[in-house]
Amino acid sequence: KQEVTQIPAALSVPEGENLVLNCSFTDSAIYNLQWFRQDPGKGLTSLLLIQSSQREQTSGRLNASLDKSSGRSTLYIAASQPGDSATYLCAVRYNQGGKLIFGQGTELSVKP
Amino acid sequence: GAGVSQTPSNKVTEKGKYVELRCDPISGHTALYWYRQSLGQGPEFLIYFQGTGAADDSGLPNDRFFAVRPEGSVSTLKIQRTERGDSAVYLCASSLIGGTTDTQYFGPGTRLTVL
Repeated sequence: KQEVTQIPAALSVPEGENLVLNCSFTDSAIYNLQWFRQDPGKGLTSLLLIQSSQREQTSGRLNASLDKSSGRSTLYIAASQPGDSATYLCAVRYNQGGKLIFGQGTELSVKP
Repeated sequence: GAGVSQTPSNKVTEKGKYVELRCDPISGHTALYWYRQSLGQGPEFLIYFQGTGAADDSGLPNDRFFAVRPEGSVSTLKIQRTERGDSAVYLCASSLIGGTTDTQYFGPGTRLTVL
């Protein structure tokens, strides 16, 4: 069964810390992997998308890495800010246009 | 430009009633997806349209759930004989297949509460 797991389920850090969120997937034959942000009561905002042939993607203070062989991805957030507080979701896709399979998310709280 | 929109934003209904949830995708996006998200969980896939046809409906939980996209744009998710367990946020996403990426863009969701 194709499953996605995110650890930890919740994380609280002081402002300014660098942090890493983890995502693992059971079937390594992915097409691509996407990281999303979800604010309470809101929809999902795409942060980064990594194709299966790529090792990492960067956007501003965010860096996502992909290791297909080990079935893992990490989302690195540099110099965290209170505005980064949200739930972060990892999702994988196994074919072009196909469905996303999501992890359960990591709820991040950045304290001022 | 306009993003994915969903109506209504909130829907409260009684057990056994019929509901329709609407999704307006980003203009020109050929693919449309429905997901369901329960509290504290990640979204779960329901159905995916490529154009007017359902390319994958393997996530529909049972035959009370049905979705259409008659003109390849707007989609409606229909739930018959609603049950309390159907209470969740229903999310819609759209994407443009065949580009350099096929990022899915999500709407704000419809929160369905079945009393």
